[in-house]
Amino acid sequence: ETGVTQSPTHLIKTRGQQVTLRCSSQSGHNTVSWYQQALGQGPQFIFQYYREEENGRGNFPPRFSGLQFPNYSSELNVNALELDDSALYLCASSLGGGVLQGLYGYTFGSGTRLTVV
Amino acid sequence: AQSVTQPDIHITVSEGASLELRCNYSYGATPYLFWYVQSPGQGLQLLLKYFSGDTLVQGIKGFEAEFKRSQSSFNLRKPSVHWSDAAEYFCAVGALNTGNQFYFGTGTSLTVIP
Repeated sequence: ETGVTQSPTHLIKTRGQQVTLRCSSQSGHNTVSWYQQALGQGPQFIFQYYREEENGRGNFPPRFSGLQFPNYSSELNVNALELDDSALYLCASSLGGGVLQGLYGYTFGSGTRLTVV
Repeated sequence: AQSVTQPDIHITVSEGASLELRCNYSYGATPYLFWYVQSPGQGLQLLLKYFSGDTLVQGIKGFEAEFKRSQSSFNLRKPSVHWSDAAEYFCAVGALNTGNQFYFGTGTSLTVIP
């Protein structure tokens, strides 16, 4: 059983640029959630995708967008990067949202460390 | 609004000593509760979870946690800490009507001394 894989592991971008982060979910998982973890903080929910549709969104601006593909992999896109976007971006897969993710929890990837300069 | 509080930012224990990490949440309905561990530069690994039923739950690596509804707490315990337990520990809360998101605490950093 493969876990959650994220790419790239590290990335440096300039303010104003755009970035795409990628995630392959764990085998058998159909739901992907993205979290932002700033230094010294707990992860904060960005959004979740289920069956290629956004299935919940946290308090992040529209310049944070995502996609989910038929194989359940996912992308996180961030436009017009700001210095405060520097963080570890975590992808988490689960068997579903709601009750299922409550019952089984998430499987997290190792994250992508984004630095905006 | 939902919130999760981990009052201890940093804890230091001796190897072999017992450990308790505190977690309090603010939420009206029955929550799902989780503890995750994060090693430096790594993602989060699920230690244990409470969904329903027995309020004392067992997890991996010898950890356990107890859900106390009256105290809105879900404290993590281990009877004898190993040096390899040094890491960051996060408590998380979710529920059916939280928009599919989990709320995480700010974490407790554990140092284990010989």
